[in-house]
Amino acid sequence: GAGVSQSPRYKVAKRGQDVALRCDPISGHVSLFWYQQALGQGPEFLTYFQNEAQLDKSGLPSDRFFAERPEGSVSTLKIQRTQQEDSAVYLCASSLRTRLLMWVNSDGYTFGSGTRLTVV
Amino acid sequence: KQEVTQIPAALSVPEGENLVLNCSFTDSAIYNLQWFRQDPGKGLTSLLLIQSSQREQTSGRLNASLDKSSGRSTLYIAASQPGDSATYLCAVPAGGTSYGKLTFGQGTILTVHP
Repeated sequence: GAGVSQSPRYKVAKRGQDVALRCDPISGHVSLFWYQQALGQGPEFLTYFQNEAQLDKSGLPSDRFFAERPEGSVSTLKIQRTQQEDSAVYLCASSLRTRLLMWVNSDGYTFGSGTRLTVV
Repeated sequence: KQEVTQIPAALSVPEGENLVLNCSFTDSAIYNLQWFRQDPGKGLTSLLLIQSSQREQTSGRLNASLDKSSGRSTLYIAASQPGDSATYLCAVPAGGTSYGKLTFGQGTILTVHP
């Protein structure tokens, strides 16, 4: 597709439910990032994939968070036993680049519109 | 650990004013710095990227400057328009990685009223 697609756009979950958030990156993009954006804050890094390999998961807040990208394209972020503090917008970004030294202009990243998760 | 701070948190100006948004970062060893725009309910759109070797970048009415030694960047918007209303975020690559993991500021919410 022309852009990064995320679904669902909105998700309301009862505390304790499991949720799965989907990201369809731009076709051919090797790098895929997940960020979490709390209300009134900037995005915070969660995890990074290069093709199907998860090279960095240092930002995942707890072992309730799990991400996968089994075929190197679509990625899913799963949150188990959701809690109120998980309420946030989850943003996905993809890039053709694997090394930021290759960035020569401002379109190194393309972000999706995000999934707004509300835990009640 | 890299920390990015943006000032002010919010700004409201009348149409036509020139304005400056500020961004500071604690670790000056950065590859580049990016400014993004975020509209409500939407993802981030990259506006300008300044490489560490550059002092400024311009795109239309936008001009971003970078002073690595002092850990500061500014985004200058000339002749502001209501359509410029959005949240503006600056971001730098997190230290110790090569693949573009970004550390963001908390953003400046800009409102331009007619």
